[in-house]
Amino acid sequence: GIQVEQSPPDLILQEGANSTLRCNFSDSVNNLQWFHQNPWGQLINLFYIPSGTKQNGRLSATTVATERYSLLYISSSQTTDSGVYFCAVEGYGGSQGNLIFGKGTKLSVKP
Amino acid sequence: DGGITQSPKYLFRKEGQNVTLSCEQNLNHDAMYWYRQDPGQGLRLIYYSQIVNDFQKGDIAEGYSVSREKKESFPLTVTSAQKNPTAFYLCASRGTGVLALHFGNGTRLTVT
Repeated sequence: GIQVEQSPPDLILQEGANSTLRCNFSDSVNNLQWFHQNPWGQLINLFYIPSGTKQNGRLSATTVATERYSLLYISSSQTTDSGVYFCAVEGYGGSQGNLIFGKGTKLSVKP
Repeated sequence: DGGITQSPKYLFRKEGQNVTLSCEQNLNHDAMYWYRQDPGQGLRLIYYSQIVNDFQKGDIAEGYSVSREKKESFPLTVTSAQKNPTAFYLCASRGTGVLALHFGNGTRLTVT
């Protein structure tokens, strides 16, 4: 099955700093999503981005499908950005809805 | 507001008891999913259903059962056969022709 690797596993930032999170995947995908899991466990859908670039406020994401990686950019980080960021992918022809999750990047933003 | 409601938020059970987790959605989504999350890990698929009265096993279905009698509802039963039931359980759904999954707020199950 598809392998998903996220880096770095942990990231500590001062408020206001920028960061880049990376997601590598081992095969072609027709679905790639970035999620933010807050300290209460709530999983928020940030981007659906199997290819191309999207932006939403201070967050943006780029997926280069031909090279099998995606990047999540967080600019001017805030303490509320803390939590775990997951990348999840779904391959072609696999079980419907079987998103394969990476292990996540745990982000801590210090005031 | 449309969304996915999971209840309860926290659930405690004794070993050997079956327990049912609720998931209801008012998004008119056809497909619904159950995932399990263990500490420090990503999510793993337990069961999914793409249509009423039909469901499929995911990667870790052993010890779990589901039903899909209504489009809005997809309850998950954690049976006594599940060896390590303590975990965070998340329900998700998506509409036909749409790939993005949307999640409920989860139920944290503790079995002692």
